[in-house]
Amino acid sequence: KAGVTQTPRYLIKTRGQQVTLSCSPISGHRSVSWYQQTPGQGLQFLFEYFSETQRNKGNFPGRFSGRQFSNSRSEMNVSTLELGDSALYLCASSGAGTLGDTIYFGEGSWLTVV
Amino acid sequence: AQSVSQHNHHVILSEAASLELGCNYSYGGTVNLFWYVQYPGQHLQLLLKYFSGDPLVKGIKGFEAEFIKSKFSFNLRKPSVQWSDTAEYFCAELGDHYGGSQGNLIFGKGTKLSVKP
Repeated sequence: KAGVTQTPRYLIKTRGQQVTLSCSPISGHRSVSWYQQTPGQGLQFLFEYFSETQRNKGNFPGRFSGRQFSNSRSEMNVSTLELGDSALYLCASSGAGTLGDTIYFGEGSWLTVV
Repeated sequence: AQSVSQHNHHVILSEAASLELGCNYSYGGTVNLFWYVQYPGQHLQLLLKYFSGDPLVKGIKGFEAEFIKSKFSFNLRKPSVQWSDTAEYFCAELGDHYGGSQGNLIFGKGTKLSVKP
């Protein structure tokens, strides 16, 4: 079956703009998490959605937001982009959101802010 | 705050050498631990995970890890590496289960493994 799909794969934005990234989880998966990966900070948890509700969030400013739709697809939005937001943004999905579920990652969206 | 430490930034081995990558976690309660691998140009893939039971966990591709509670460690091992094992390896711990969440992974900074043919 298809894996976690993220779009777009690459994008360049200007400081101050906003960006929306999309994630389609594995079919049947209801939990979607987002991570930011940078050389300096590594992989950091942004937030998790389950059944259209944000269930947990990491320590990121309010400029980072997300949502999940009824078909489990998820989007994340970053407003007022800063140079430091340049990163690989990873989406991950798991099945019923139960402890022990395997968490599957997508290939990520590379965001460059200039 | 929970944290995961990986001791080595970059490890270089020859084929057939044995591998051990160190990982230490900080949380003293019930732990859920993972090792992920990221091959060049590919997405993160789960190698193995530990939730409970036998502290020696076997994963895919001949990898195994040992959970040692007294040392807060979860080291990854492979008896004989191959060139195809060249990748970046990440140790992770499941963070708080706020709201029933199990998608909050706390990652180490990763260890790059280069295997010379």
